[in-house]
Amino acid sequence: GEDVEQSLFLSVREGDSSVINCTYTDSSSTYLYWYKQEPGAGLQLLTYIFSNMDMKQDQRLTVLLNKKDKHLSLRIADTQTGDSAIYFCAESFTGTYKYIFGTGTRLKVLA
Amino acid sequence: DGGITQSPKYLFRKEGQNVTLSCEQNLNHDAMYWYRQDPGQGLRLIYYSQIVNDFQKGDIAEGYSVSREKKESFPLTVTSAQKNPTAFYLCASRDRGENQPQHFGDGTRLSIL
Repeated sequence: GEDVEQSLFLSVREGDSSVINCTYTDSSSTYLYWYKQEPGAGLQLLTYIFSNMDMKQDQRLTVLLNKKDKHLSLRIADTQTGDSAIYFCAESFTGTYKYIFGTGTRLKVLA
Repeated sequence: DGGITQSPKYLFRKEGQNVTLSCEQNLNHDAMYWYRQDPGQGLRLIYYSQIVNDFQKGDIAEGYSVSREKKESFPLTVTSAQKNPTAFYLCASRDRGENQPQHFGDGTRLSIL
């Protein structure tokens, strides 16, 4: 079955690194995505990784993918108060228009 | 600027009333989606459409209806059959080709009067 799980909350201090984790059950996914949602807004695409990659870096963001363990993580370096939001991981599959979203992790950055 | 516009931002529904949420995109995307988001939960798929005049039910389609008469428009009607409509509704679109990322509008918050 298809299921994507995330921890509900994460709290970090400003300037520290944040690591948001995601586990998924369906290993046939082709791309995995990270989205950010600020209060009262839609989802903003942050980055995505192809399933045959292990790592992708984009400025302060680093995505790590462990296909064997079906584990995806998003690391935010030098976390700022503006990074406070809900972060969703999602996966897509070849041959279908369907996407599966995680439950979201609420990141709170303490000044 | 290209993007997805949802309107209204806030909507109130009376008992027994149907309401329609608007979603328009000027990204020339083929596929469009409607999701429902409840507090503390992820996104649940209501309907999606891959091309004009065609759409498919998602995981929670009961009590909702859609149409896709134009490529740029995908309105969602919340009918009186939907007994618990209070939620945040998100519209998304994506380009042709597999595994293109979805792009989202800013959402409509629907509440019961």
